[in-house]
Parts: sequence; C-alpha cells; structure tokens
Amino acid sequence: NAGVMQNPRHLVRRRGQEARLRCSPMKGHSHVYWYRQLPEEGLKFMVYLQKENIIDESGMPKERFSAEFPKEGPSILRIQQVVRGDSAAYFCASSPGGQSGGETQYFGPGTRLLVL
Amino acid sequence: GESVGLHLPTLSVQEGDNSIINCAYSNSASDYFIWYKQESGKGPQFIIDIRSNMDKRQGQRVTVLLNKTVKHLSLQIAATQPGDSAVYFCAEIKAAGNKLTFGGGTRVLVKP
Repeated sequence: NAGVMQNPRHLVRRRGQEARLRCSPMKGHSHVYWYRQLPEEGLKFMVYLQKENIIDESGMPKERFSAEFPKEGPSILRIQQVVRGDSAAYFCASSPGGQSGGETQYFGPGTRLLVL
Repeated sequence: GESVGLHLPTLSVQEGDNSIINCAYSNSASDYFIWYKQESGKGPQFIIDIRSNMDKRQGQRVTVLLNKTVKHLSLQIAATQPGDSAVYFCAEIKAAGNKLTFGGGTRVLVKP
C-alpha cells in the first residue's frame, strides 16, 4: 500500500478520552474514505471526503464522531468521549478522483484503537 | 437489505492447487466490483477489479468472473502459494457512488 499513510498505528485510550486518527492519501489522490473493521468482520464504510468537503457521511455515527480533510494536511477522524465499543481497526483509503461510477480505493495500514 | 456476502468462511487449499472464492451480491445496480486481500494486521490490498459490462478479467495468477444473471462473483487463484494465505473480501460500488460495501470475508489457508 505505498503512499497511504496512517498514524498512529496503535492507539490506547481510556473511556471518555478523545481519539484522533490521521490519514495522508497517496500522492495525487484527492479523495479519502474512512472504514471501520471489527475482528473477523468486513470493513464498514464511515465517511467519504474530498478536500474541505464531506461528500458522504452516511456511515458515521450521529454523535461523537467527526471527520475532516483540510486544504492542507492529513484527513482526521476524531472520536470524542470514546467508549469500549469504539475499539476497532480504522482504515483510511484514497482514490484519485475524477472518475464516475467508482474508482479503485487503496488502503492504508490502519489504526488499531483500544479503549480501556 | 442490499449486501455483498460470501458462501464459505474458510477455505483450505493444498499448495499448488487452484483456489476459488465465491461471493454473492444482491444489488443489481452495482457496477464495479473489487477483490481485496487482507493479511493479519494489515490493510486490505487491491487484487483485481471488474466492471459490470465485463464477465471475466484476468491478472497475474488471478481471474475474476462476474455472472450478472445470478449476481455471483468469484475469484480464482492459480497455483496457490503459502503467501496467498489471507482473508479475501469482495466489495461492490453502486453506480454513481464511491462507497465500498464489503462482504464478510473468506479465510484462505494454504497447506504445504
């Protein structure tokens, strides 16, 4: 997965704390996606962003979760007041943008969040 | 509801044999399908894709078949190697969308 970078790779938080997950897309990609994966399950879509715009957030929980992709810098997935049920692997993917009908999304290595 | 699902959760294969992983989808509006491989502790890795106007596409040691009549997708791996051991996911994108819907995954175990 050359190019899609995520940090941190592992994050431990106590209940009630905030978690910030970062994603830098592949060079030349302007579309970013966040997915969540529970153990032994498939990935579940959360949010789709372009620079400074949220395009589709239909998979985002209504509360405590937010995402941004600023003009400069990485995309951020923010989880406020974390609970144990937020423990999961969070994957970011990117695509070039500009092609209708779906583009190949390339994934980063993920951030494994553990809430104690 | 709309979903992408798999028939077999675990597939054991002898090294050198061919592997076939199956996937059923229910949304006939989907027009782009992708197979990903995920090794333990890593992110999904793109293997091969196919659009709905095709029924077969070949890559290096892999072939994807799409049967729109029965809404079935399969991934064939030729001469399976130990490095092919992983979980394989099929995923779909609906027309004019960009959201991947993943199936539950099939674990492939390659026996030496």
